[in-house]
Parts: sequence; C-alpha cells; structure tokens
Amino acid sequence: EIVLTQSPATLSLSPGERATLSCRAGQSVRSYLAWYQQKPGQAPRLLIYDASNRATGIPARFSGSGSGTDFTLTISSLEPEDFAVYYCQQRTSWPLTFGGGTKVEIK
Amino acid sequence: QVQLQESGPGLVKPSETLSLTCTVSGYSISSGYHWYWIRQPPGKGLEWIGNINHSRTTYYNPSLKSRVAISIDTSKNQFSLRLTSVTAADTAVYYCARDFRGSGNDAFDLWGQGTMVTVSS
Repeated sequence: EIVLTQSPATLSLSPGERATLSCRAGQSVRSYLAWYQQKPGQAPRLLIYDASNRATGIPARFSGSGSGTDFTLTISSLEPEDFAVYYCQQRTSWPLTFGGGTKVEIK
Repeated sequence: QVQLQESGPGLVKPSETLSLTCTVSGYSISSGYHWYWIRQPPGKGLEWIGNINHSRTTYYNPSLKSRVAISIDTSKNQFSLRLTSVTAADTAVYYCARDFRGSGNDAFDLWGQGTMVTVSS
C-alpha cells in the first residue's frame, strides 16, 4: 500500500495569501496524483488530476506540481471560499489511497 | 447532468450487515466508467472501499476484502455495497462516486452527497 503523507496538518493564513500544501508518497506514484477540496458537510471536489491538470471549472489560482514522491498544491491567492480541507490521492497502484488531509484555516 | 444518490439505513447493529445503494441519474451505468464506494469516519480522512464496472469487474480494498461485496444492477441503474460483520470502526459517512475517465484506477470527479451510517446497538 502506498502511504501518502500530507503536511502541514493545519495551515493558518489570511485571505489573499499564498497557500502551499505538500503531499509525499512512500514510493513513486509517477504523476498519478490528484487533489481534492472538502468543505464541512460536503463531498470532496476534484481540483487537480495527474499532478498538474486542473479539473473542469477549477479556478486558475489552484495549481499542482510534482512527480515521483513529492507533490505540491498551490493556491496563489486565497479567497474566502478556499478555506477547507485538502486531500491528495494516488491512482498508481491498488489499493487507491488518500493522504490524511491539510486543513487551511483563516488566521 | 449526472447525479449520484446514496440510500440505506443510518443505523446498523454490531455484527450485522451494512447495505447501501447508489442510484445514478442522468447516465446509464451500463455505458461505462467504474463506480466506487468511499468512506470517511467522523473527523477523519477518506478510505477507498472498492469499485465495480458494468462488466461486474470488482476491485476491493484488501483491508476490507473479506467483508465487502459490491454489485451492480444495470436495469435499475444502481450499484450497491454490502459490508458484513460491522463494528463501531465502520461508523462513517459513505460516499458513492464515479471515476474521471473510466479506467478503474483514477481520480473521482463525481460524488454523491454521502450518507452517515452509525454502528451501534
């Protein structure tokens, strides 16, 4: 099983600031990594697939990068609606696994 | 517009079987894609349970494989989850979902709203 470790667990930032979230895989997942946003009481929403491709309708302030074992989700300028929990997920091998999440909270 | 909706009991007794159904609207599940169950214990992260396609090919999380079964009913445009011998550790929000490109090991671009299942006597 490929373990995904997200850091930090919590990120305290103000609107307008840049957010940098990390996801590290226990072994290479090539570029087969996705990012999701989840707000309280809602299902996750796909933001990024295959490390760097924005899903349909996702604003350009969200970007993903990385390959192999180290990945980054960047939110260039936080909007009020961006404060949420973010998860990474790998699809390289079974079982499909998720990271433990990073909560982006308002400072 | 494709939509997924979970349904089933919100309370299950320990040692009994959890059964949930996901009804798909706006798309015929016999046309393609893989269809997933994913769960999230209260305050915790996401766990892939398993998935099925229209050919009834299934993949299960090894951690649950001995207790889980996913089936598909194309005539009703539904797929279902059965989890046997449940314990309190199975208490979670259960989501059904669809994969992004139909490959079977992919990201998930479409989710149901989720249904909370509590295991308690």
